Amino acid sequence: EAGVTQFPSHSVIEKGQTVTLRCDPISGHDNLYWYRRVMGKEIKFLLHFVKESKQDESGMPNNRFLAERTGGTYSTLKVQPAELEDSGVYFCASSQGGGQGWIYEQYFGPGTRLTVT
Amino acid sequence: SQQGEEDPQALSIQEGENATMNCSYKTSINNLQWYRQNSGRGLVHLILIRSNEREKHSGRLRVTLDTSKKSSSLLITASRAADTASYFCATEKLSGSARQLTFGSGTQLTVLP
Repeated sequence: EAGVTQFPSHSVIEKGQTVTLRCDPISGHDNLYWYRRVMGKEIKFLLHFVKESKQDESGMPNNRFLAERTGGTYSTLKVQPAELEDSGVYFCASSQGGGQGWIYEQYFGPGTRLTVT
Repeated sequence: SQQGEEDPQALSIQEGENATMNCSYKTSINNLQWYRQNSGRGLVHLILIRSNEREKHSGRLRVTLDTSKKSSSLLITASRAADTASYFCATEKLSGSARQLTFGSGTQLTVLP
């Protein structure tokens, strides 16, 4: 079974430019999550999709970040315009499950390292 | 204040020794999970312990959870050089069907051959 994949693995852009990160979850996983780790800090939750719907986007830092999951399969995370403090590693994860009370582990992708110069 | 703080921040041991890492958290949780991250790689799920469980084993891993003290420990027995990695605890708090993991800052484990 293929794991969670992310593209690109590394992106270097200039401040003010736009970058789009992509995540392909494990096939059949309805739940998709985005997290990020900025330099020297903890891994922070950004948002959670259930199929194509945003279940929880409480971790999105500001309106320069836009996540989509059209069709409930892969997801994109766009940063526009990018700022220096957006540099870090962006992780995607997916999990099974649905409804109240379920507990399933989240499988993480390798991450995309974003560098804004 | 941070949820999920690991202790120690760094740990260096000899191969064959046991490694113990601790995690403390601040709010009520539904479950606690431990992850490993090798340099430059993604997070690998190690073990999940529910809030009504006190101890769980998986191979050379042993996890304990003390909800009264809001703490957990991860024990790796008979460590190997391949265990060298960063280890993170992450707590999950149920809120309907919403999910999010709150991670600690991690413990960097180095196992010397």
